[in-house]
Amino acid sequence: GNSVTQMEGPVTLSEEAFLTINCTYTATGYPSLFWYVQYPGEGLQLLLKATKADDKGSNKGFEATYRKETTSFHLEKGSVQVSDSAVYFCALDGGTSYGKLTFGQGTILTVHP
Amino acid sequence: DVKVTQSSRYLVKRTGEKVFLECVQDMDHENMFWYRQDPGLGLRLIYFSYDVKMKEKGDIPEGYSVSREKKERFSLILESASTNQTSMYLCASSTSGQETQYFGPGTRLLVL
Repeated sequence: GNSVTQMEGPVTLSEEAFLTINCTYTATGYPSLFWYVQYPGEGLQLLLKATKADDKGSNKGFEATYRKETTSFHLEKGSVQVSDSAVYFCALDGGTSYGKLTFGQGTILTVHP
Repeated sequence: DVKVTQSSRYLVKRTGEKVFLECVQDMDHENMFWYRQDPGLGLRLIYFSYDVKMKEKGDIPEGYSVSREKKERFSLILESASTNQTSMYLCASSTSGQETQYFGPGTRLLVL
């Protein structure tokens, strides 16, 4: 079946540091890949997505590239801010019925001033 | 903007009680989902619905049931709450043919 594995957290960075959160997946076929973010006290919201190999999703300074050869979708940001502190979830849609998503375990990011 | 609302942000119940969690979306979405979120486990799908009165089991349906009598409303029911159902419950919705799910703010349930 489908599965998503994220790097263990929590991740703690200073403001303006470079961020990478690793995500690898297992799926049959050609899944779409997503990063969702959950700010404190809120539900999840879509951060970015990519629907086919070599696509790059980007939003709010975050980027992730769909790498089919390494089955990865790592999240990066060149300079994090305190306001980026949140939980980040990698997810995939394996193309099964009704848009069901499979989520990774989430990575807590804390950014200090 | 899509809005998904959940009936309670925090809920405290006793073991054995019947618990109803309500979710309402205002964008005429066909698909609705219930997840539970636990530290280190991410989000796990409990049930989903693709149309009124239609429901499908997710990955962890045991101990839960759902109801979808109207398109905009999807209810999660804990028939007899147990302490291992203490968790954060998240509702989401999406429209057919679109993969993006829109989430509510969550209900944090404590079962004593």
